[in-house]
Amino acid sequence: EAQVTQNPRYLITVTGKKLTVTCSQNMNHEYMSWYRQDPGLGLRQIYYSMNVEVTDKGDVPEGYKVSRKEKRNFPLILESPSPNQTSLYFCASSFRLLREQFFGPGTRLTVL
Amino acid sequence: TQLLEQSPQFLSIQEGENLTVYCNSSSVFSSLQWYRQEPGEGPVLLVTVVTGGEVKKLKRLTFQFGDARKDSSLHITAAQTGDTGLYLCAGADDYKLSFGAGTTVTVRA
Repeated sequence: EAQVTQNPRYLITVTGKKLTVTCSQNMNHEYMSWYRQDPGLGLRQIYYSMNVEVTDKGDVPEGYKVSRKEKRNFPLILESPSPNQTSLYFCASSFRLLREQFFGPGTRLTVL
Repeated sequence: TQLLEQSPQFLSIQEGENLTVYCNSSSVFSSLQWYRQEPGEGPVLLVTVVTGGEVKKLKRLTFQFGDARKDSSLHITAAQTGDTGLYLCAGADDYKLSFGAGTTVTVRA
């Protein structure tokens, strides 16, 4: 089944404790991105990747890191999480930039 | 400030009624996508409109792209409870896809 998977689905952590949210797609998509979704603000792009080893900042990259060592994986790293990073995070992939985005199920992160 | 403004923010209607959701911007987009998101899930693409003035129909859903490619609307005829969800529009411009904040639609039985 074609899908985007994210882990974990739910995470509660404390300020400053490094964490990684994994994202994997099995559709051989070149383009992957991370979004955060907050009430009243919609989906805001954090980082995106056009292909392996090619990543770039989106609208709200501060406090986040990403890597794209393999085509299928695009992990999101929070080196020192803060409470304002409490949000619902979505990973998405697409065959090409600006085509249909396939979203993962989301990761709900709470930073205390 | 949102690049794409969606209205209304919330919409609650009775089953069988019609509804329209709007997506407006001052920017021109090469294409515009509409997604629906259900609780606990990621958004799922409904349609992509590309040409100014384009109208696309998906069963009871009608999507329109403005002539100037700055705005779009989604009209649902005879809404059903299964239409309940968050409707998001996303405008494509150069290397970026920008999402609106969404319209939460609740269809009551």
